[in-house]
Amino acid sequence: EIVLTQSPGTLSLSPGERATLSCRASQTVRSSYLAWYQQKPGQAPRLLIYGVSSRATAIPDRFSGSGSGTDFTLTISRLEPEDFAVYYCHQYGNSPRTFGGGTKVEIK
Amino acid sequence: EVQLVESGGGLVQPGGSLKLSCAASGFTFSGSALHWVRQSSGKGLEWVGRIRSTSYNYAILYADSLEGRFTISRDDSKNMAYLQMNSLKTEDTAVYYCTRLLAGGDQTFEALDVWGKGTTVTVSS
Repeated sequence: EIVLTQSPGTLSLSPGERATLSCRASQTVRSSYLAWYQQKPGQAPRLLIYGVSSRATAIPDRFSGSGSGTDFTLTISRLEPEDFAVYYCHQYGNSPRTFGGGTKVEIK
Repeated sequence: EVQLVESGGGLVQPGGSLKLSCAASGFTFSGSALHWVRQSSGKGLEWVGRIRSTSYNYAILYADSLEGRFTISRDDSKNMAYLQMNSLKTEDTAVYYCTRLLAGGDQTFEALDVWGKGTTVTVSS
């Protein structure tokens, strides 16, 4: 099973700042099958990025994904008030699918 | 609008059973794989299992950790999927989500796009 480790656990930033979230896999993620989700309290996860860098439908271009192999990054170029949430990475190229433990982006 | 709606959660004693339902609408359910994912405060997001479409003979795969206690099924005539949970343990306490693959497909490797709001299962005496 691939273990995904996300860092930092919590990121304290102000609106307008840049957020950089990391996801490290315990082994190579097959063919870049890596996604990112955003989750707000009481809501289901929302797909942001799939295939490492493809934005899902209606996701603003301030969200971008990059990386390969075992190291992946989600970048939010300029934080909007609605972006403060928990973010999870997810690998779906190896069975079983696994998720990272999450990074909380909070208002500083 | 693409929608998934879970139901059937509740409080159950250890060793008990519960059957969750997932109602799908707004897309071609019969051609789609359907996954179950759970989220607990202790273990975060955990993939439970999936059932593929008729094109793949409704192939089912489960997380090894479930030890054969859970069963996934579907009824394409009703656009419904189900998760039968038996021999429940306190560690099965979680919010259970049904979710589909990107664009309602049935590929082997694809992200999960639309999720239901989840249904809460609490296993406690």
